[in-house]
Amino acid sequence: DTEVTQTPKHLVMGMTNKKSLKCEQHMGHRAMYWYKQKAKKPPELMFVYSYEKLSINESVPSRFSPECPNSSLLNLHLHALQPEDSALYLCASSRRPGQGEGANVLTFGAGSRLTVL
Amino acid sequence: AQRVTQPEKLLSVFKGAPVELKCNYSYSGSPELFWYVQYSRQRLQLLLRHISRESIKGFTADLNKGETSFHLKKPFAQEEDSAMYYCALSAFDGSGNTGKLIFGQGTTLQVKP
Repeated sequence: DTEVTQTPKHLVMGMTNKKSLKCEQHMGHRAMYWYKQKAKKPPELMFVYSYEKLSINESVPSRFSPECPNSSLLNLHLHALQPEDSALYLCASSRRPGQGEGANVLTFGAGSRLTVL
Repeated sequence: AQRVTQPEKLLSVFKGAPVELKCNYSYSGSPELFWYVQYSRQRLQLLLRHISRESIKGFTADLNKGETSFHLKKPFAQEEDSAMYYCALSAFDGSGNTGKLIFGQGTTLQVKP
């Protein structure tokens, strides 16, 4: 299995809802990432997990809460979002964090398109 | 400051013409640079990285530390090369243990028949 799988593909939620995005990989990768991508813009890093521990939080508002239950799974819990949070949320993984061989070669999922009403 | 600049939003060429997508970076350490590509309705994927010095789909990129550039080149463009191309720089925290990719704004390559 050489893919990163994200569910759901599409999500519509109200500002008071609580929902979660899920990401799964079975490549044995030990770094996992959440990115946010607006239309015609580059991906913006939100969080990095290294060996199941949160290592980077790019000053993301607390209404986004990441979770890494094990080395294959990554969740993004959403609560009290704003309409401006509507975007494509991309999950990615790499063989390992850091620098050098295997690091920063990211495998991306297809994304979860979120619409906040 | 760590930054990646892709000066062209759109590059339009005819099939068979040479292509050069420009990328300049700003980084105080020793950079690792990548090109990622996103074809229409497909996932973002790695095209090539400077460490491996490989040629993928006829594309090459050379890191020029003097000019802080990592331009992507192909001698003869094909219609299937039409896509969004992102140059990316890996940057590290103070301890050097955690890396993150910083993406440029992207260049849309349009290859006309």
